[in-house]
Amino acid sequence: AQSVAQPEDQVNVAEGNPLTVKCTYSVSGNPYLFWYVQYPNRGLQFLLKYITGDNLVKGSYGFEAEFNKSQTSFHLKKPSALVSDSALYFCAVRAYSGGYQKVTFGTGTKLQVIP
Amino acid sequence: DTGVSQNPRHKITKRGQNVTFRCDPISEHNRLYWYRQTLGQGPEFLTYFQNEAQLEKSRLLSDRFSAERPKGSFSTLEIQRTEQGDSAMYLCASSLEKDQPQHFGDGTRLSIL
Repeated sequence: AQSVAQPEDQVNVAEGNPLTVKCTYSVSGNPYLFWYVQYPNRGLQFLLKYITGDNLVKGSYGFEAEFNKSQTSFHLKKPSALVSDSALYFCAVRAYSGGYQKVTFGTGTKLQVIP
Repeated sequence: DTGVSQNPRHKITKRGQNVTFRCDPISEHNRLYWYRQTLGQGPEFLTYFQNEAQLEKSRLLSDRFSAERPKGSFSTLEIQRTEQGDSAMYLCASSLEKDQPQHFGDGTRLSIL
């Protein structure tokens, strides 16, 4: 069975500082990895994905993520945090499960950027 | 706005009643997904359509739940004889191809009294 772990319920960072939101995964075969952001009472918005290629993936709003196969991690990063980045962030993995490419989400990490 | 649209945004109903939610995906997307999200959790997969065919159903989708996508466009999710545990946000998403990211609607929040 595939799974995603986001070990931190909440991450606090000062505005202008770099941020990291952690994600590790467990899956059979090659994973497709995603990051989504969710604002209050809204659906999820796609940030970036890794399927193959460069381990460093660049996405929307200045976010990037680094795929590390040996550590089975896909941490989300941004060099300089903005107050408007405060939201709930979800890591997701997609892999075949019973003949279907099933998407499994982590439990989410609340990012709080402090002015 | 050509994003995924879900209606209603909020639904409050008494336990035991039936409810139906609608999802209008992005028009050219042939894949449509339903998820359930409870407080403090990530979305949990419920079911998946490719065009009008329902290809996968989660074990979370009990026999009280049914989903349709009759013409391969909009989809409905019906819950019969609602229970307290059905209270959640129900999210719909669509995608163009299997490798493309899913685009989510803003969800329908269901509250069972």
